Amino acid sequence: GAGVSQSPSNKVTEKGKDVELRCDPISGHTALYWYRQSLGQGLEFLIYFQGNSAPDKSGLPSDRFSAERTGGSVSTLTIQRTQQEDSAVYLCASSPHGTSGEAETQYFGPGTRLLVL
Amino acid sequence: AQKITQTQPGMFVQEKEAVTLDCTYDTSDQSYGLFWYKQPSSGEMIFLIYQGSYDEQNATEGRYSLNFQKARKSANLVISASQLGDSAMYFCAMPPSAGNKLTFGGGTRVLVKP
Repeated sequence: GAGVSQSPSNKVTEKGKDVELRCDPISGHTALYWYRQSLGQGLEFLIYFQGNSAPDKSGLPSDRFSAERTGGSVSTLTIQRTQQEDSAVYLCASSPHGTSGEAETQYFGPGTRLLVL
Repeated sequence: AQKITQTQPGMFVQEKEAVTLDCTYDTSDQSYGLFWYKQPSSGEMIFLIYQGSYDEQNATEGRYSLNFQKARKSANLVISASQLGDSAMYFCAMPPSAGNKLTFGGGTRVLVKP
């Protein structure tokens, strides 16, 4: 079946504008993750959804960042009042269950490259 | 808190030769595991291999093998018979004992020379 898809693939915006990034996980996967990869750096966890449980938002860098997952499938990451330091690649991943106690392989999408001018 | 360290920012390898990518970790968990992902220039993270700390034998997936040495807290990736398509960034990552948010190392860039 299809893998994780993300849109847009590239986004250029002006400082102060809001942006929305979309993620379609693999069909049937209940767990969904957002990560950020800044230039020359590793991946940084942002937020994690598992089924109907409250999301783990512990990685969100500021209150300008928010995410939702509608119907247990598609997720949208919103960045309000973008800043230049928000420029990065935003990667989405999904896994079948996301439950603790057993590590699961996370399958990543191609990412959205965000550039804030 | 977990910490993953990849000490090699970049390396060259001759085509058809083997290369070892270093990964050391620090965790207080008794049971844990390590993932390796490949990130080509296209940007997508591709799962390569995984091993849990209680697995007795080192994991192998095709040309990839994981050299897990718990006493040294290292989980190195070995790529045998390197191919030009192996040129990419490689990341080591560890899940926590609760939940699944991965902690990533800084990555190693591999360039395979013909």
